Amino acid sequence: DQQVKQNSPSLSVQEGRISILNCDYTNSMFDYFLWYKKYPAEGPTFLISISSIKDKNEDGRFTVFLNKSAKHLSLHIVPSQPGDSAVYFCAARPRQGAQKLVFGQGTRLTINP
Amino acid sequence: EAGVVQSPRYKIIEKKQPVAFWCNPISGHNTLYWYRQNLGQGPELLIRYENEEAVDDSQLPKDRFSAERLKGVDSTLKIQPAELGDSAVYLCASSLGVRGANVLTFGAGSRLTVL
Repeated sequence: DQQVKQNSPSLSVQEGRISILNCDYTNSMFDYFLWYKKYPAEGPTFLISISSIKDKNEDGRFTVFLNKSAKHLSLHIVPSQPGDSAVYFCAARPRQGAQKLVFGQGTRLTINP
Repeated sequence: EAGVVQSPRYKIIEKKQPVAFWCNPISGHNTLYWYRQNLGQGPELLIRYENEEAVDDSQLPKDRFSAERLKGVDSTLKIQPAELGDSAVYLCASSLGVRGANVLTFGAGSRLTVL
């Protein structure tokens, strides 16, 4: 079963505008959520995380919002830049000491000049 | 500081042949992971090591896949014999294994093509 879902395979946004990437999860036992960014032929790199006890975390142009009641999180990028074009993965960490991450399928973001 | 190093970056083999991937994690990271990423999908965990002990290998197809982490540092992942469906990118990651977000740092991956 897919515990972490990214239902949009791709997203295209104009440079300077806001990019919003969405992620849904089914397991209430996740305690941390992370976003990773992946360029072609490279491994995923960590972008930003949020604890399940918070509803917002901000780091520069990147903000992650968590809605626990809806089991939904989103990543906002403002303003979007051409270098943000990549595949973005949502990931979640199960509670109680499990150190692994469960990943979504990814969303390919394209920033158009 | 060097990141997670993987080799080879690319490997093309015929089905039924063996293949091995090598990973050197970040120095001091005691937790090592092997993930498999199929085309258009997110990474899926194959096996996780705490030092030299495999603590989560429930998703590793044990009939053909094997892994080891001798001395709790480098790790190898082996497939024997390879099947067409094994074509994927094999990602190694490491982490401190601490509480909190426990950020995993990934290597560039080894792309396997089975013909």
